[in-house]
Amino acid sequence: KQEVTQIPAALSVPEGENLVLNCSFTDSAIYNLQWFRQDPGKGLTSLLLIQSSQREQTSGRLNASLDKSSGRSTLYIAASQPGDSATYLCAVVQGGSEKLVFGKGMKLTVNP
Amino acid sequence: SQTIHQWPATLVQPVGSPLSLECTVEGTSNPNLYWYRQAAGRGLQLLFYSVGIGQISSEVPQNLSASRPQDRQFILSSKKLLLSDSGFYLCAWSSGPNTEAFFGQGTRLTVV
Repeated sequence: KQEVTQIPAALSVPEGENLVLNCSFTDSAIYNLQWFRQDPGKGLTSLLLIQSSQREQTSGRLNASLDKSSGRSTLYIAASQPGDSATYLCAVVQGGSEKLVFGKGMKLTVNP
Repeated sequence: SQTIHQWPATLVQPVGSPLSLECTVEGTSNPNLYWYRQAAGRGLQLLFYSVGIGQISSEVPQNLSASRPQDRQFILSSKKLLLSDSGFYLCAWSSGPNTEAFFGQGTRLTVV
């Protein structure tokens, strides 16, 4: 059974720091990995999608990497801003079943 | 462009009452469809997913059921709600296992 883990569960940092968010998964048979952002009481917003054959994807100040063989992904946020405060979730699409399996998320607080 | 509609946004229902939450997707055909529940302070629990009409997979034995009466319509139902059914329900879609998943804005269900 696929399990997705995000550690730590919460992080508080001052504005301007470069951040690394971690995600690990137990079964490397995935189609892709996706990072999402969730603001309080809202749905999820897709940030980056990395296909299983890719190593990295970038969008603005965000960069996500994928090491499928070791079951790890990182989301790098450059020059963090208070507006980046949210819960960040990673999810994998499980090979064979097409299930989208989530980690529990990491709550990020960027202090001005 | 594709859009996803989920309603209602909030719902307060008494214990033992029925439930029907609806999700529709526009601008695509044969999407993968997902229902998730997010309890307070917890991650996203996959409840049901469907890769096509007549194909619904249930992830967790529970008081809920799902149906897909049309290609782009996904309905979450219960005959008799329990207090433990309270939570934030999210619908999502994707075009397939190698594509991004997109979420609706969610339904906040409170069972009293």
